[in-house]
Amino acid sequence: DGGITQSPKYLFRKEGQNVTLSCEQNLNHDAMYWYRQDPGQGLRLIYYSQIVNDFQKGDIAEGYSVSREKKESFPLTVTSAKKNPTAFYLCASSANRATEAFFGQGTRLTVV
Amino acid sequence: ELKVEQNPLFLSMQEGKNYTIYCNYSTTSDRLYWYRQDPGKSLESLFVLLSNGAVKQEGRLMASLDTKARLSTLHITAAVHDLSATYFCAATTSGTYKYIFGTGTRLKVLA
Repeated sequence: DGGITQSPKYLFRKEGQNVTLSCEQNLNHDAMYWYRQDPGQGLRLIYYSQIVNDFQKGDIAEGYSVSREKKESFPLTVTSAKKNPTAFYLCASSANRATEAFFGQGTRLTVV
Repeated sequence: ELKVEQNPLFLSMQEGKNYTIYCNYSTTSDRLYWYRQDPGKSLESLFVLLSNGAVKQEGRLMASLDTKARLSTLHITAAVHDLSATYFCAATTSGTYKYIFGTGTRLKVLA
């Protein structure tokens, strides 16, 4: 089945540690995205990538980093510098701008 | 910079009633998307509206797009409990792949 896989589903980390969230897609989509969602809030764009080896900052990129070495993979690192990183993180991909973005099941990150 | 606003933020309605959710966006955009999110879950695509005057319908939901007014609507007909969820609209700016989301409308349908 084609889709987007995020792992892990739940992640707990201590403050001061970097943590990497995985996102893999087998839809052959060119573009991939990371969004953050806080309780009762909308989605805010962290980073997006339109092609391999290229990515752009979204609205809240500070404290995060990404890489796009392969078309199917777009991992997100939440660095120790990020304040208040506890949130629900959603990865998405799209074939082109005329189609919708498809979402993974999300990773719920809790930093204590 | 593209901004997307939805209203209302919260909507509590009785089963069988009709209502409309509004989505306004700030700059030129000819692509508008509607999603549904159940509590604790990811987003599910409902509609893709690609041109001015586009109208899409699925069951009790109907979405439309007016690019001149920079407005999209999601109309709910004869609501049922299963439609309780949070609904998001999103738009993309010309020439980019950035999907910008509204704040969402939390819908609760009361039996």
